[in-house]
Amino acid sequence: DAGITQSPRHKVTETGTPVTLRCHQTENHRYMYWYRQDPGHGLRLIHYSYGVKDTDKGEVSDGYSVSRSKTEDFLLTLESATSSQTSVYFCAIGTSGVNEQYFGPGTRLTVT
Amino acid sequence: QKEVEQNSGPLSVPEGAIASLNCTYSDRVSQSFFWYRQYSGKSPELIMSIYSNGDKEDGRFTAQLNKASQYVSLLIRDSQPSDSATYLCAVKVNFNKFYFGSGTKLNVKP
Repeated sequence: DAGITQSPRHKVTETGTPVTLRCHQTENHRYMYWYRQDPGHGLRLIHYSYGVKDTDKGEVSDGYSVSRSKTEDFLLTLESATSSQTSVYFCAIGTSGVNEQYFGPGTRLTVT
Repeated sequence: QKEVEQNSGPLSVPEGAIASLNCTYSDRVSQSFFWYRQYSGKSPELIMSIYSNGDKEDGRFTAQLNKASQYVSLLIRDSQPSDSATYLCAVKVNFNKFYFGSGTKLNVKP
């Protein structure tokens, strides 16, 4: 998985609780991404980062926030989880100016 | 209209045949195009990238790009049962945003 880890790998939480997912890389890549994957929708970009403290929204950012205080870590927070946020979440990394992305192993989140 | 469209399949081919996977995209300023393979329960794995019109070959895989028709395809020659997976088409549309199709499931029958 190209030096990318995600934690936790599985989580079950209740509606209304805050949840934070962590992505950690050992590749020193500049770009990091959070996606969600749902049946029939493929991968959809939530947020991405182009450097420490530099982040931007993707196509499905509502209800999510991110932070990147160190090059190696990119956090995704669901401030108040809803059942519609039940999904598999993938983190990806990419190098500056390069196009390829490499994905972490994923986190399966269930909101009950 | 979705940015990237793929037929969800499943596409079934016999072992040894050529599998042809197709993808269309809507944004004319799209710069780069990618094919990822995803096994069930696993993360996507990059298998091909293509940036200019024409064909690009890598082993049993050939990616084809036609920007005028906004069409990209992936051919898998001598298909093997281990090729059975979902294939995701991805498009980079600006500095660093990517859009993915929903994937085509390929079944290669022994």
